[in-house]
This record gives sequence, structure tokens and C-alpha cells, in this order.
Amino acid sequence: GQSLEQPSEVTAVEGAIVQINCTYQTSGFYGLSWYQQHDGGAPTFLSYNALDGLEETGRFSSFLSRSDSYGYLLLQELQMKDSASYFCAIYSGAGSYQLTFGKGTKLSVIP
Amino acid sequence: DSGVTQTPKHLITATGQRVTLRCSPRSGDLSVYWYQQSLDQGLQFLIQYYNGEERAKGNILERFSAQQFPDLHSELNLSSLELGDSALYFCASSPLNGIGTGELFFGEGSRLTVL
Repeated sequence: GQSLEQPSEVTAVEGAIVQINCTYQTSGFYGLSWYQQHDGGAPTFLSYNALDGLEETGRFSSFLSRSDSYGYLLLQELQMKDSASYFCAIYSGAGSYQLTFGKGTKLSVIP
Repeated sequence: DSGVTQTPKHLITATGQRVTLRCSPRSGDLSVYWYQQSLDQGLQFLIQYYNGEERAKGNILERFSAQQFPDLHSELNLSSLELGDSALYFCASSPLNGIGTGELFFGEGSRLTVL
């Protein structure tokens, strides 16, 4: 099966930088995705890493190390609206491309 | 707005009952995924369909079943409901059977409360 580990809660100050780590165990790994979810809302896609390295999209960056089964999401210049849950998710499987989510990290941005 | 439509948005029912949740994917998307999210939990993968065929199955209970119709909309049927089935049920869609850009487009969810 698949398993993902990420911190349950993180608190950071507005304007600061925060890193949310994700480690995973699976077979047939294809790539790592990150999603944002505000309370009660729909998850929205942030990024996808299939290869090792850093992907940057505006204030958000995502990193993957396949050899370490590890990735992280980096949020810069934090804004109050970034307070939300962040989920890492892995694509895995033999041709089925199942997307398995971690339990999520609740980020609280404080003034 | 992701373009994925789920109905109903809210549903309250009693234990032992049966409900059907409906999902219309984005125009042109062939893959539909169902996820269950219980309070303060991650998204549990239930099942995936591609162009009418089941492609992957996750932790879906035998009391639950799903299908994707020729017009690509999908329905998730939940029967013999228990209190523990209370959750948000999300549908997501993507254009392909494969990963592509890695993005799934999620609907707003159907919140099921079992009393």
C-alpha cells in the first residue's frame, strides 16, 4: 500500500516563509502533488513534481527527491489567506495512476 | 469554479438508508474520481472511472458502489448507511486516464450527515 507523512499543524507569521514536508512509501511511484483546501471547500491543485528538483509557481515552490522519498512545499511571503490545509498526494500504481492523499497540514498564518 | 458539479450539496438521512451522489465532470474530462473526507481527515480514495470503465479501486466499502454513464457523469451509491459514513464526498475529474499535468479538478463536495 501507500503511506504519506506530513506534520498535522504549522503556524507561521504573515510575510514569513514556511516549509511543509512530506515523506512517502509506495511502490510504482509516478509523482508528488500538492493541494490546498480551505475549511469546507474543494481541494485545489498547487503543483506536481514528477522529477527531482524544485518547481516554482509564484509564491509557492515544490521540491521532490525520489531517492529519499521526500518532498516539500515552500510558501513565501505568507498572507493571511494562505491559512488552509495543505495535502501532499502521490501518484502510484501499475497503470491505474491512483492519487493517494496524506492527512494534511493545517497552516495557520498569524499577524 | 472548477467546472465539476456535484449534487446534492447537503444531504441528511437516517441509518440504514440509501443515497445517491451525482457528479458531472468538466466538459471533455473522461476520468472521474471519488474521495471521502471525514472530519479532520485526509481524502480517502474510493474509486476511479475512465470513459465508463472502472480503473482503480481504493478503500471503498462493499456497501458502496459507483458507475460512470455514457454521458460521463458518475454516481456514487451508498447503502445501509451507518453513522460513520457521515463525511464530505468529493468528486474530481481529469482529461486523461494517465497523469498528464498531475491536476485533478475537484467539485465542491456533497456533505452527507447520517443520523
